[in-house]
Amino acid sequence: DAKTTQPTSMDCAEGRAANLPCNHSTISGNEYVYWYRQIHSQGPQYIIHGLKNNETNEMASLIITEDRKSSTLILPHATLRDTAVYYCIPEITGANNLFFGTGTRLTVIP
Amino acid sequence: EAEVAQSPRYKITEKSQAVAFWCDPISGHATLYWYRQILGQGPELLVQFQDESVVDDSQLPKDRFSAERLKGVDSTLKIQPAELGDSAMYLCASSLAWGTSGVNNEQFFGPGTRLTVL
Repeated sequence: DAKTTQPTSMDCAEGRAANLPCNHSTISGNEYVYWYRQIHSQGPQYIIHGLKNNETNEMASLIITEDRKSSTLILPHATLRDTAVYYCIPEITGANNLFFGTGTRLTVIP
Repeated sequence: EAEVAQSPRYKITEKSQAVAFWCDPISGHATLYWYRQILGQGPELLVQFQDESVVDDSQLPKDRFSAERLKGVDSTLKIQPAELGDSAMYLCASSLAWGTSGVNNEQFFGPGTRLTVL
């Protein structure tokens, strides 16, 4: 199984960029990295995914290192509603579901 | 915007009783997932359906848990008998496709059913 390492928790000031790191050193081949988040008492929500190139959508940007062993999710202007647990989930070849870890609990501070 | 529906949102039961959860995926989504999330942990897959067929139930405790998706649309997850350790959030998700990478693998989650076993 792909192993991921994420900080247990992080704080970010409202309006500042939140940078959430993830190490996925065992990712291989054409396995994507997915990011989901889970706001308290809600189901997880898809944010973004990437393979090799950096990606950006209306929610966030994803920076993937050239060796693909780590990635960083960037929320450019964090708001209080971004307070959530953020999960970095490398795809596993042959397994078509998501393996969540414990994620990073991001707290946006006013 | 289409959403995954789940009911009930909350369920309190006594141990040894039977409970059932219902999920209605987004229309057109062939793949349906049931996850269990214990407080403080990430969701863990219990069972995955492709249409009406089970494609992965390796983590489903089959002595007490059962899941069905008879017509390949909505699904029911049952626990009988419930045990204290079953207290958790039960999440249903659906996706457009299975067996592909990238955007078609995006899973849409429902709000979950929070089960408390007394």
